[in-house]
Amino acid sequence: DQQVKQNSPSLSVQEGRISILNCDYTNSMFDYFLWYKKYPAEGPTFLISISSIKDKNEDGRFTVFLNKSAKHLSLHIVPSQPGDSAVYFCAASRSGSARQLTFGSGTQLTVLP
Amino acid sequence: GAVVSQHPSRVICKSGTSVKIECRSLDFQATTMFWYRQFPKQSLMLMATSNEGSKATYEQGVEKDKFLINHASLTLSTLTVTSAHPEDSSFYICSARGSPNQPQHFGDGTRLSIL
Repeated sequence: DQQVKQNSPSLSVQEGRISILNCDYTNSMFDYFLWYKKYPAEGPTFLISISSIKDKNEDGRFTVFLNKSAKHLSLHIVPSQPGDSAVYFCAASRSGSARQLTFGSGTQLTVLP
Repeated sequence: GAVVSQHPSRVICKSGTSVKIECRSLDFQATTMFWYRQFPKQSLMLMATSNEGSKATYEQGVEKDKFLINHASLTLSTLTVTSAHPEDSSFYICSARGSPNQPQHFGDGTRLSIL
């Protein structure tokens, strides 16, 4: 049973436009959420996180939104750049579990020049 | 930013060989390190969690005698795949974290190919 789901395996966006990556979760015990970016043959790179006590966190071009009632989070990238092309994973954790991460299956973002 | 180094990046060896993969946190003390495995076009699957100075906690279905984990210092953890077979071929990634409230930082992974 997948507790973290990224239903879109791929997304293409024009350079300069907004990229919106979505993630849904089923475990209501999750209270900390992260987004990672991964290039081929490399490990994931941490991008941004959000605690369940917030509904928005912003860092430069990246903003993460959390809707607890819908068990949904999204990552907005604006403006999108060709260098943003990568696989994006959302991950979730809960307290009392050594903060182990449960990952979604990833979304391949392609930003077209 | 936090840096985690993982070596080697690629290993090709014969069936029956044991392979050791190192994971080092270069600029912070990692009280906890994690080992993941990733199959093609799939997500990262947690194999085990190790805390410095104690035995690793393995996820269900992961053989602890097959995948030996040592976390002897605050900057180094090793994963040894013992008597590797072709079905062990995969991409193995480690991560390290300073405290539970900090994000995990990942190494670049090791591509293991068993012939």
